[in-house]
Amino acid sequence: DADVTQTPRNRITKTGKRIMLECSQTKGHDRMYWYRQDPGLGLRLIYYSFDVKDINKGEISDGYSVSRQAQAKFSLSLESAIPNQTALYFCATSEARTDTQYFGPGTRLTVL
Amino acid sequence: KQEVTQIPAALSVPEGENLVLNCSFTDSAIYNLQWFRQDPGKGLTSLLLIQSSQREQTSGRLNASLDKSSGRSTLYIAASQPGDSATYLCAVLQGAQKLVFGQGTRLTINP
Repeated sequence: DADVTQTPRNRITKTGKRIMLECSQTKGHDRMYWYRQDPGLGLRLIYYSFDVKDINKGEISDGYSVSRQAQAKFSLSLESAIPNQTALYFCATSEARTDTQYFGPGTRLTVL
Repeated sequence: KQEVTQIPAALSVPEGENLVLNCSFTDSAIYNLQWFRQDPGKGLTSLLLIQSSQREQTSGRLNASLDKSSGRSTLYIAASQPGDSATYLCAVLQGAQKLVFGQGTRLTINP
């Protein structure tokens, strides 16, 4: 089983809909992250969390919110999806000891 | 603002060749630099991590170097194989666990 899982893997939705992307990990890491990847722009950090009670905005948090329900779960919500939020979304985890980040397989989101 | 650039954007070489991928960054105040591999439909896999105090790291056929003062890193792949075909991303870690990524180099190894 994969250490970092994301659901759904693909989602097509319409403008204005609320969408939740979920991430679960079995690595036992305290730190979790959400990124989006756009062609030609690389990966950009949306939100990150160092533990259950810690939530921090990243580079591009506008239009997104997150919830850290447990050490192993970190969800990303789009309150009212818009077409320029069409992208590939990645969840990642890390531990402070090594700084190495481990990525999930990604969720491809299309907003029509 | 940190900017990470990878050149070239795409590279195609015959199997067996040694090759170098380049990464440059504008702000030398980094904690580490990481190289990742991304395969279509899959997430990112960490290949090598170089701490800011280190000059290079090696793993199998891969060798990554870091020259923090000049803002450069290279990923050397020896004896390339078709299975090495993927997109390679470099990223620098700054404060507050913020990874800043380059746009990647899409590598194709031709049999």
